[in-house]
Amino acid sequence: GQQLNQSPQSMFIQEGEDVSMNCTSSSIFNTWLWYKQDPGEGPVLLIALYKAGELTSNGRLTAQFGITRKDSFLNISASIPSDVGIYFCAGRNTGNQFYFGTGTSLTVIP
Amino acid sequence: DGGITQSPKYLFRKEGQNVTLSCEQNLNHDAMYWYRQDPGQGLRLIYYSQIVNDFQKGDIAEGYSVSREKKESFPLTVTSAQKNPTAFYLCASTPGGGSGANVLTFGAGSRLTVL
Repeated sequence: GQQLNQSPQSMFIQEGEDVSMNCTSSSIFNTWLWYKQDPGEGPVLLIALYKAGELTSNGRLTAQFGITRKDSFLNISASIPSDVGIYFCAGRNTGNQFYFGTGTSLTVIP
Repeated sequence: DGGITQSPKYLFRKEGQNVTLSCEQNLNHDAMYWYRQDPGQGLRLIYYSQIVNDFQKGDIAEGYSVSREKKESFPLTVTSAQKNPTAFYLCASTPGGGSGANVLTFGAGSRLTVL
C-alpha cells in the first residue's frame, strides 16, 4: 500500500521554538489527518482537514490542507516539553482507505 | 466514555503458537481496522471490516485472521504462519458509511513479542 512522504523524519528543538512538518502524496485525498503518538500508546487525533485550502488551528497547532489535495503541513508554535512524541499524517481517499506517513519524531530540549 | 479497548497490552508468545488480540469499541462505529506498526515505518493495514460479518484483507494479511461477529468486536488472530509477528498492533474504527467526517479513532495498542 501507498505510504505518504513525511518530513522531516526527526527534529530536535529548543523549548519555545516553532516546528513545521509536512506530508506529500502522489494521490489526491479528500481528508487529511494529523495524529500524535506517545511511546507505547495509540495515536491521538490532533487536527482533521476536509477541504482543499482549509487552514485549521487547535491551540498551538495549525494545519493546512494543500490546494492540490496532495499535501498537508502541521505547525506547532512555542513548543513545550510535552510536545515530545511522534507525529503522523494520514490521508483518506474517496474509497474510505487511509494511508499514513512514516512519522516525525519530535524532541524538545528544555 | 466512548472509545476502543485493546487487550492484552503486552503479550509474549512462543514460536508456533497462535495468539488472539482483542479489540472492543463502544462508539457504535461501523468500520473497524487492524494495523501493524514497526519502528520507522508507517502503519500498515492488516484487515478491515466495513460491516458485521464482512471483512477484507489489507496490505499484509498473510499469517493473520479476523472475525466480525458483532459490531463492537473485531479480534485479530496472529497465526504461526506469520513469519515475523513481533510488532505493535493497533485497532481503529470509523463511523463508516462514507461520512465526510470520517476520522480514525485508535485503541492504545497491543505489543506482541515472540520469544
